[in-house]
Amino acid sequence: EAQVTQNPRYLITVTGKKLTVTCSQNMNHEYMSWYRQDPGLGLRQIYYSMNVEVTDKGDVPEGYKVSRKEKRNFPLILESPSPNQTSLYFCASSWGQTLPYEQYFGPGTRLTVT
Amino acid sequence: DQQVKQNSPSLSVQEGRISILNCDYTNSMFDYFLWYKKYPAEGPTFLISISSIKDKNEDGRFTVFLNKSAKHLSLHIVPSQPGDSAVYFCAATTYNQGGKLIFGQGTELSVKP
Repeated sequence: EAQVTQNPRYLITVTGKKLTVTCSQNMNHEYMSWYRQDPGLGLRQIYYSMNVEVTDKGDVPEGYKVSRKEKRNFPLILESPSPNQTSLYFCASSWGQTLPYEQYFGPGTRLTVT
Repeated sequence: DQQVKQNSPSLSVQEGRISILNCDYTNSMFDYFLWYKKYPAEGPTFLISISSIKDKNEDGRFTVFLNKSAKHLSLHIVPSQPGDSAVYFCAATTYNQGGKLIFGQGTELSVKP
């Protein structure tokens, strides 16, 4: 089954404790992206990757890191989480620069930072 | 600056009637538009898309209309069903953006039996 998986689905942590949210896709997609969803703000892009070893900032990259060492995986790293990073996070993948542009989303990770 | 806007946070419709969800954009370079549907505790799923060379695209009960001069698109659901109750996001991109999507804030649709 074609899918994007994320782990963990739920995470409660404390300020400053480094964490990683994993993302993996099995569709051989070139493009992968991380979004955060906040009430009234929709989905905002954090980072994206056009291909292996190629990553770039999205609209809200502060406080986050990513890496793309393999095509299928695109982990999101919070080196020192803060309460304003409490949010619902989605990983997505697509073919990127060619049609169709629709992105496939993971189930989401709800992060709470206290 | 919100380039894609959905000004109605919520919409309530009776089962069997038409649901119309609206989306406005400010960037005239956008040339491809998508609608996503999101149920609670799930990720968004692709619903329907439209290229700027068209003004209408239909897929079963779902039709998207694009008015480029007004920088406005709408999603029509006819007839609406209780299972359509979800949050709907519109998104926009350009062909040279490498697949980067700009999303609106979302509209929560409630279809009442």
